[in-house]
Order: sequence, then C-alpha cells, then structure tokens
Amino acid sequence: DAGITQSPRHKVTETGTPVTLRCHQTENHRYMYWYRQDPGHGLRLIHYSYGVKDTDKGEVSDGYSVSRSKTEDFLLTLESATSSQTSVYFCAISEGGQPQHFGDGTRLSIL
Amino acid sequence: AQKVTQAQTEISVVEKEDVTLDCVYETRDTTYYLFWYKQPPSGELVFLIRRNSFDEQNEISGRYSWNFQKSTSSFNFTITASQVVDSAVYFCALSGVTTNTDKLIFGTGTRLQVFP
Repeated sequence: DAGITQSPRHKVTETGTPVTLRCHQTENHRYMYWYRQDPGHGLRLIHYSYGVKDTDKGEVSDGYSVSRSKTEDFLLTLESATSSQTSVYFCAISEGGQPQHFGDGTRLSIL
Repeated sequence: AQKVTQAQTEISVVEKEDVTLDCVYETRDTTYYLFWYKQPPSGELVFLIRRNSFDEQNEISGRYSWNFQKSTSSFNFTITASQVVDSAVYFCALSGVTTNTDKLIFGTGTRLQVFP
C-alpha cells in the first residue's frame, strides 16, 4: 500500500464518548483526507488538510474535528459520538495533483 | 454542483462474460478528473484509473477498458472476460483540478459479483 496506516482498525464505543481516529503516512504527502463510507452514499468527504495546521471542511463535517500537527499524522475526532456516526472511515493522501491513495479503513460502531 | 451517478447498484455475471459499469457525472468545471476505484471484499480501496477531461481517448489496460464521452457526461468501465477475482464494489469519482486539493466526489458504487 501507499504507506498509510489507520488506527484503530476496529472500534466499538458508546454514544456520548469521545473518539479519535488516527491516520499516519510515511510518504511525506502534503494532502490528507478523511472520508466516511455508508451504504447508499458511497464515500463522502469529512475534512481535509493541505498542510500542517491547514485544514478545511468537507461535505459532512458536522460533529467532527481534525488536527494535523505533523505532516505524517492526521487525526479525526468525534467529540461526542452518536449512532449516526457509525460508519467505515477512510483516510487518503495525495501529492501535487496525483490520485488519492487510501488507507485500509477503520470500522467504527457506536452503540 | 458536482455529482456522480452509478445507476447500477448490483450486477451479477458468470465468469468469462463481458460487463460494463456505467458512470454519469455532472460538473460545471471545464477541467476535471474522473476516476475509478475498486473495493474488493477485503475492504481496501484500490485506485484503477484517472482521466483528464481534456483527453477523451479510450484506455485499455489488460481486460479493463474505459470509455470517456464528454457529450454524454459518461465514463464507463468495461471488464472483458470477467473473472471471480473481479468481484468487488466499483466506485466512479470526480474531482476538480485545483492548485490546492482535489476533493473527490464519489458515486454510490456498483457491486459486481462474478460467479464461476
């Protein structure tokens, strides 16, 4: 794969708890993205980053925040998880107009 | 607004059949990229192809071919002589061409099942 590691790979948690997903890359790519995948919706962009401390919202950003303090790490936080955030989360990276490559995904279940 | 439509939710074929996956897109951009990604049962997303809106030439890669037609806003994907290993969900996607980032707009995917 393109040097992308997502952690954890699976997580089950309860409504109202905070959750942080991590995306780590070894490619030194400038751009990083978080998507969620849900049946009937394909993948939808949550947030993205175009550099250290430079982030912006995507299509479905409500209830999520992100941080990027180092080039290699992009964190996605659910401050107070809700059942509607049960999903598979994918991180992607890209550089200089090249196609995005994806991590293996994190399956998150919120009970 | 940008939109990608994959009207075929699921397709089933028998091995060695040819199959075409349809993709129709909407965009107001004059320059854009189109993509296909494959998601096998193991769940990862695999990049297959990117096409620039300037280049309408069809592309062939082994058993895979892609037909891009701006006149009908379509970017269809054909698998020739399908194999069981082709069973997966296939996503078509669209992005603009910017200097900042190329956010992907995905279709809802087509699940292809190839039976032996």
